[in-house]
Amino acid sequence: EIVLTQSPGTLSLSPGERATLSCRASQSVSSSYLAWYQQKPGQAPRLLIYGASSRATGIPDRFSGSGSGTDFTLTISRLEPEDFAVYYCQQYGSSAYTFGQGTKLEIK
Amino acid sequence: EVQLVQSGAEVKKPGESLKISCKGSGYSFTSYWIGWVRQMPGKGLEWMGIIYPSDSDTRYSPSFQGQVTISADKSISTAYLQWSSLKASDTAMYYCARSPGSYYNVWGQGTLVTVSS
Repeated sequence: EIVLTQSPGTLSLSPGERATLSCRASQSVSSSYLAWYQQKPGQAPRLLIYGASSRATGIPDRFSGSGSGTDFTLTISRLEPEDFAVYYCQQYGSSAYTFGQGTKLEIK
Repeated sequence: EVQLVQSGAEVKKPGESLKISCKGSGYSFTSYWIGWVRQMPGKGLEWMGIIYPSDSDTRYSPSFQGQVTISADKSISTAYLQWSSLKASDTAMYYCARSPGSYYNVWGQGTLVTVSS
């Protein structure tokens, strides 16, 4: 089973700043099979990025994804107040899915 | 509108059985996988398993194999997650989500299951 490790566990930033979230896999992941989600308190997760770098429908262009192999990154170029939430990466491989443990993005 | 609507919150006792549901609408239910994801209180997302309603092909996470059963009734566009004997450690929010293959692009609102004596 591929293990995804996200860092940092908590990221404290201010609105307007740039956020960089990391997701590292225990073995190589196809870029086609790496996704990112946002989850706010009391809500279901929402798909942000799929295929490592493709934005889901309706996702603002301040969200971008990059990476390949074992290292992937979610970047939020200029934080808006509504972006403070928990972010999860997820991979698919060998008919199984795994999620990272999450990064909490909090207001500084 | 594409949506997944899950059944309501449940409160059960240890040892009881339970089946929760996830009804799809606004799309061809048999053309997408439906997965189940557990979120224990204050914790992260855990993938439990997935089913393809067209032929009921089902895959389970090793962590949940034998602990739950995933099924679907394509005639009513509904997927299910069931337990035969609940434990207190099954207390969690359970989400269903639609997958075109490798990611989940539509999520249900979640079903809170509380198991307590």
